[in-house]
Amino acid sequence: DVKVTQSSRYLVKRTGEKVFLECVQDMDHENMFWYRQDPGLGLRLIYFSYDVKMKEKGDIPEGYSVSREKKERFSLILESASTNQTSMYLCASRPGQELFGYTFGSGTRLTVV
Amino acid sequence: DQQVKQNSPSLSVQEGRISILNCDYTNSMFDYFLWYKKYPAEGPTFLISISSIKDKNEDGRFTVFLNKSAKHLSLHIVPSQPGDSAVYFCAARQGAQKLVFGQGTRLTINP
Repeated sequence: DVKVTQSSRYLVKRTGEKVFLECVQDMDHENMFWYRQDPGLGLRLIYFSYDVKMKEKGDIPEGYSVSREKKERFSLILESASTNQTSMYLCASRPGQELFGYTFGSGTRLTVV
Repeated sequence: DQQVKQNSPSLSVQEGRISILNCDYTNSMFDYFLWYKKYPAEGPTFLISISSIKDKNEDGRFTVFLNKSAKHLSLHIVPSQPGDSAVYFCAARQGAQKLVFGQGTRLTINP
C-alpha cells in the first residue's frame, strides 16, 4: 500500500525552538508539498518541491524553510517556532505529470507553547 | 485573499437525502476543480474533479456541477450515507503545480 508517512502525529515545542517535521513517501513521486490546515482557513500551501534539492515558495512561506536532499524525503523546518505556528501540518506527494494523484499523509499536529 | 471559498462551515443532512456542498471562487484562470474528503486523523483523499470546460461530472453517488459565469461549483451526494460524514474541501488548480483549497465544510449525516 503506497503511502506518505509523517514522522510525528503530535508534537509540542517551546517558543524559539528549531523544529523539524519529516515526511517520507514510498511512491517515487517527483513532487512533494507542505500544507498547514487551520480552522476557517482550510489548507494553505507553505512550500513545495518538484525535484531533489529544488524548492518553491507557496502562499505562506514566512517563518518556514524546507529541505529535500533525497527524492523520498521532504522536511519542513521552523527556524524559531512561534505560537502562531501552532497548526495541523499535512505533507503530500504527487507524480510528475498527474493532476489528481495527490497522496496526503495523516498530518502532524504541532503545538507551540 | 481567499480565492476559493466554502461559506458553510458545517452541514447536517438526513441519511438517504441529498447533500449539497457549495464552493465559490474568484480566479477565472483556474482550469480544474477538485473535491477532497477528510476523515479525522487521516489526510485528505481525492473524491471527484471537473475541468473548467465542463459543467457536470458524475461518479456514482457523487456529482459535481460547475457554473463558470457565477464562479460557483457544487458537490451533490445522493443518497447520503453515514460514511459520508467528513470534512469536504473544494480545491482549484492554479498553474501546473499548485492547488488552492477552500476552508472546508464539515458534513454530518444523521441516521
